[in-house]
Amino acid sequence: SAVISQKPSRDICQRGTSLTIQCQVDSQVTMMFWYRQQPGQSLTLIATANQGSEATYESGFVIDKFPISRPNLTFSTLTVSNMSPEDSSIYLCSVPSPTGELFFGEGSRLTVL
Amino acid sequence: KQEVTQIPAALSVPEGENLVLNCSFTDSAIYNLQWFRQDPGKGLTSLLLIQSSQREQTSGRLNASLDKSSGRSTLYIAASQPGDSATYLCVHRDMRFGAGTRLTVKP
Repeated sequence: SAVISQKPSRDICQRGTSLTIQCQVDSQVTMMFWYRQQPGQSLTLIATANQGSEATYESGFVIDKFPISRPNLTFSTLTVSNMSPEDSSIYLCSVPSPTGELFFGEGSRLTVL
Repeated sequence: KQEVTQIPAALSVPEGENLVLNCSFTDSAIYNLQWFRQDPGKGLTSLLLIQSSQREQTSGRLNASLDKSSGRSTLYIAASQPGDSATYLCVHRDMRFGAGTRLTVKP
């Protein structure tokens, strides 16, 4: 199984600012996934981050708002740009095992005032 | 694009009942399917993974089955307990989650 660490675990931010969330995995993985979980909702896939290539964004999510970096096989960042209260959510990163099992970090709880 | 539907959206049962949660897909080309539980304010706990070559997986009082022909998976919980109260989520290989089933088991 993979151990995934996310930072920060929670943060309170002001409208109009940006926050970068870090995801560190204890093993090398090709694919990493970023999800958003809005209050009371299920998880929504934001993008897939492959090392060495541009992230692939899902419908409704754009690079300008959610830029992603993937500098190596164990690390990725997601930035939430120009935040508004509607961006208040839990953001989670996830990686698949070779058998296809998904592992998740504990999430980063973001509150935008 | 794959659609994942979970039925029911919410379920309340008395302790001791056996229950079934459903997860269905629009794409019949099913690969892995995974069930999670999420307690309020907490992260995701993986319950069971069914790979495409498998029909079911069991862990304790939980049994998950996968019917590729009908595009459906079921999670069976035997002898439910108040500690089973949580939201149960399924996810398909394309990483899309269902909306979840919120289960309440009353003592």
